[in-house]
Amino acid sequence: DAGVIQSPRHEVTEMGQEVTLRCKPISGHDYLFWYRQTMMRGLELLIYFNNNVPIDDSGMPEDRFSAKMPNASFSTLKIQPSEPRDSAVYFCASSRPGWSETQYFGPGTRLLVL
Amino acid sequence: ELKVEQNPLFLSMQEGKNYTIYCNYSTTSDRLYWYRQDPGKSLESLFVLLSNGAVKQEGRLMASLDTKARLSTLHITAAVHDLSATYFCAVDIRNTGNQFYFGTGTSLTVIP
Repeated sequence: DAGVIQSPRHEVTEMGQEVTLRCKPISGHDYLFWYRQTMMRGLELLIYFNNNVPIDDSGMPEDRFSAKMPNASFSTLKIQPSEPRDSAVYFCASSRPGWSETQYFGPGTRLLVL
Repeated sequence: ELKVEQNPLFLSMQEGKNYTIYCNYSTTSDRLYWYRQDPGKSLESLFVLLSNGAVKQEGRLMASLDTKARLSTLHITAAVHDLSATYFCAVDIRNTGNQFYFGTGTSLTVIP
């Protein structure tokens, strides 16, 4: 299996621009998670889906952030408009059905907002 | 909000030595995970602990869970340089609180 796939791997944009991050989970995994990692705040869970349905989005920083999962093999995290404080590494992870399965992380997207 | 605290935050140890990393959490959970992250890389799953008293071992690493004390430990035996990385614990309360929390991380450097 190819593992969790994220694109782009690096993104540099200017403040105010829209940014879209993409994730393809491992086939057969029905949980999908979006995380943000920064030096100051560590790893934060932003939102997670089960069977394409958002279960908890309480970690989404504000209305500028939105996430979708239109089907089992694709999810997006969008930031509009982007701000410098959004600069971080964004990870997508997926896990098999069930409460007790570990998560498999993608390589991450390094976002820099100037 | 659930708090997940690891200590130490930074650990420098010599090859061949033993040490323990601690993960304390503030609410009831019987599902805890350990991950490893190399600099500039993604996270890799190490252990899944699913019940009180659970113990898992892989090579020089051994993880345990005490749900009554709300404590998990990651013990390193006879450290080698390849173990240098950041180690995270994560507490899963999706069945009660719809959330998944990572600890602060412990940055381990093993000195030859």
